[in-house]
Amino acid sequence: RKEVEQDPGPFNVPEGATVAFNCTYSNSASQSFFWYRQDCRKEPKLLMSVYSSGNEDGRFTAQLNRASQYISLLIRDSKLSDSATYLCVVLYNFNKFYFGSGTKLNVKP
Amino acid sequence: GAVVSQHPSWVICKSGTSVKIECRSLDFQATTMFWYRQFPKQSLMLMATSNEGSKATYEQGVEKDKFLINHASLTLSTLTVTSAHPEDSSFYICSARGGSGGGYNEQFFGPGTRLTVL
Repeated sequence: RKEVEQDPGPFNVPEGATVAFNCTYSNSASQSFFWYRQDCRKEPKLLMSVYSSGNEDGRFTAQLNRASQYISLLIRDSKLSDSATYLCVVLYNFNKFYFGSGTKLNVKP
Repeated sequence: GAVVSQHPSWVICKSGTSVKIECRSLDFQATTMFWYRQFPKQSLMLMATSNEGSKATYEQGVEKDKFLINHASLTLSTLTVTSAHPEDSSFYICSARGGSGGGYNEQFFGPGTRLTVL
């Protein structure tokens, strides 16, 4: 079983739509959680860290559910520029980062 | 803050040559740097973790004699692909993680190096 699992998508949504991605992780001792976005042929860029209480940054909301071992990312009012691959990253044992395979989002006009 | 640079951004070389890639944290001291490889349409694959002043820890299946990693200072790590072959052609990305200036638990990625071996 993979350490971090994501639905690869693609999620095809119209501009203005709300879209949510989930990511599950297998190790209950995982410490920190992140969402990164990666554009085609570019490096991943940190979108947001995910805190236990949940956190919001503009149109983006991240949630953590430790009991069920998943994190989520909600994007409201999708823009064309949100089209990218979203990577779920989990930190375990303070020095081991596990990456999901990414969820591809296509926002259409 | 938390900027990571990588050089070169792309390189084309002949089979059998060695290629060195540099990764620098520009505005923070990186206690740990990571080297990844990514093939087209695939996920990032961690190759090795390097801590300043100590030997790198390689992931299973990654040959340490082929991918030489040196982390000589808190702002610089290098990856040398020795005797490169066409199957080594890939997108190599480094990331850095550090204390002051950069969130300790967050990784910041360099822009990547696209290696093509002919």
